[in-house]
Amino acid sequence: GAGVSQTPSNKVTEKGKYVELRCDPISGHTALYWYRQSLGQGPEFLIYFQGTGAADDSGLPNDRFFAVRPEGSVSTLKIQRTERGDSAVYLCASSPSGSTDTQYFGPGTRLTVL
Amino acid sequence: KQEVTQIPAALSVPEGENLVLNCSFTDSAIYNLQWFRQDPGKGLTSLLLIQSSQREQTSGRLNASLDKSSGRSTLYIAASQPGDSATYLCAVEGGQGAQKLVFGQGTRLTINP
Repeated sequence: GAGVSQTPSNKVTEKGKYVELRCDPISGHTALYWYRQSLGQGPEFLIYFQGTGAADDSGLPNDRFFAVRPEGSVSTLKIQRTERGDSAVYLCASSPSGSTDTQYFGPGTRLTVL
Repeated sequence: KQEVTQIPAALSVPEGENLVLNCSFTDSAIYNLQWFRQDPGKGLTSLLLIQSSQREQTSGRLNASLDKSSGRSTLYIAASQPGDSATYLCAVEGGQGAQKLVFGQGTRLTINP
């Protein structure tokens, strides 16, 4: 079956612009996660959804970052007023139900803010 | 706050050698520990998941151990091959309802033919 997909694969934007990053999880997976990976570092947690609700958004760095999952499947990560420091690879993962399950990762979206 | 450390940061060995990658974590209250592989420009592929009640998991030439009380895990790769070259990441899933993974910074492994 299809894995986790993310679009776009690459996004280049200018400082101050708004961007949206999309994640399509594995069908039937109720848990969805967003992580951010800077060059040479491990991924850092941003937000976790269980179904439609954000169960843990403690990793969002500030209020410029927001994520939604309105129908419990596709999720969109939204970044307002982008800054150069937002440049990173944004990874999405899903798992069947959450705790103790293997998380399956997508290929990521590389965001570059000029 | 959970912190995960991986040593070494980079490792280069000749083909055929057995090798060990190390991972340590500061808070022993974890649900599980996972080892991932990441190829350049790619996402993460899960290699092994060890539940907190388990001591080790094996898959082919890979063996991962977990010593929760001491906050340590090792990934053993037997008979290394050039195709094993990648970055290996260790991640723990926290207890107390925390679903998120906390990652180490990774070990960049190069296997030389």
